[in-house]
Amino acid sequence: GAGVSQSPSNKVTEKGKDVELRCDPISGHTALYWYRQSLGQGLEFLIYFQGNSAPDKSGLPSDRFSAERTGGSVSTLTIQRTQQEDSAVYLCASGRRGNTEAFFGQGTRLTVV
Amino acid sequence: GESVGLHLPTLSVQEGDNSIINCAYSNSASDYFIWYKQESGKGPQFIIDIRSNMDKRQGQRVTVLLNKTVKHLSLQIAATQPGDSAVYFCAETGNSGNTPLVFGKGTRLSVIA
Repeated sequence: GAGVSQSPSNKVTEKGKDVELRCDPISGHTALYWYRQSLGQGLEFLIYFQGNSAPDKSGLPSDRFSAERTGGSVSTLTIQRTQQEDSAVYLCASGRRGNTEAFFGQGTRLTVV
Repeated sequence: GESVGLHLPTLSVQEGDNSIINCAYSNSASDYFIWYKQESGKGPQFIIDIRSNMDKRQGQRVTVLLNKTVKHLSLQIAATQPGDSAVYFCAETGNSGNTPLVFGKGTRLSVIA
């Protein structure tokens, strides 16, 4: 079956522009995660959606970052007024409630120039 | 694809030998501890998990050990193969899937043929 799909796979944007990153999770998965991975670093937690519960936004680094999940499925991560330090690979994952296995997408590589 | 974890600790192992990858965790309230494998240019992939009330769990060629006294987690890979070369991350989460997966620092495993 289809895995987690992220788009675009690569995005180059100018400093100060807004960007939207999309994640299509595996059908039926109630959990959805966003992480950021910079070169030479681990996975930095950004935000977590679980079913109809309020999302856990504790990892968002600033108010320039926001995410939504429509209809319990597709999620969009928005970064406003991008800065060079936002350059990273943004990874999305989905999973079943109560299951520790998260299925990751290939990521979106964001480059801010 | 681009390599991740260029500045991560590296473990070099001869093909056929056993590998031991270690991780220190911080949250003693976590219910599950998990190991993920990330190959170059890909998202992390689930390997094995262990619940906090256990101290050992075995999978196919892998064993996870949990020492709650010193907050230490390890992954043992038997008969390491070239395909095991990757960055390995430990992760932790709370109960029932209502808390996000939090990843620790990774370790790069390099298998020498």
